[in-house]
Amino acid sequence: SQTIHQWPATLVQPVGSPLSLECTVEGTSNPNLYWYRQAAGRGLQLLFYSVGIGQISSEVPQNLSASRPQDRQFILSSKKLLLSDSGFYLCAWSRRGATEAFFGQGTRLTVV
Amino acid sequence: EDKVVQSPLSLVVHEGDTVTLNCSYEVTNFRSLLWYKQEKKAPTFLFMLTSSGIEKKSGRLSSILDKKELFSILNITATQTGDSAVYLCAVWVYFTGSSNTGKLIFGQGTTLQVKP
Repeated sequence: SQTIHQWPATLVQPVGSPLSLECTVEGTSNPNLYWYRQAAGRGLQLLFYSVGIGQISSEVPQNLSASRPQDRQFILSSKKLLLSDSGFYLCAWSRRGATEAFFGQGTRLTVV
Repeated sequence: EDKVVQSPLSLVVHEGDTVTLNCSYEVTNFRSLLWYKQEKKAPTFLFMLTSSGIEKKSGRLSSILDKKELFSILNITATQTGDSAVYLCAVWVYFTGSSNTGKLIFGQGTTLQVKP
């Protein structure tokens, strides 16, 4: 069966510090991978998606970047965090051709 | 611009009540509509709907899609305190020019509180 791991679960970082959130998927190959952000009281907004190693597409302009160094690994990064980067970050995966996605447990990021 | 709108945004009911949550959408390249339940962490999958008029049912929860009127409803009967959560509606759309890659577009969510 497929599983998705995301860490850390919570993170408190000072403004201006770097960020690295990691997500890995097991039990499948060549998945589509996604990073979503959920601001307080709002729905999920797609930040990045990837259809393969090294292939990253950004949905919204922002202070963050994403990378996919391996087939089942997706990383969300920032060089310098802003207060507005606070939120709940969710990694998700889907099979090619599928019309549903499965989510990791999320990372609650607070920038102070 | 693709959008998904849920209503109401919040709802307070008592145990045993029946609730109906609404989701309307305006998107291009529609493929499916999904309902998730979110309790502080990751959304958990409830239903995926692709065809109009076919009700999907799981215990006290049911959902139906109307592709002509572009909406879906999620019903919860005999509510329990454990049903308290944020219910998210999302529509899967394919990226322009793609037939195997897409994304979920989410509504704002409906926060349901069930009181004892």
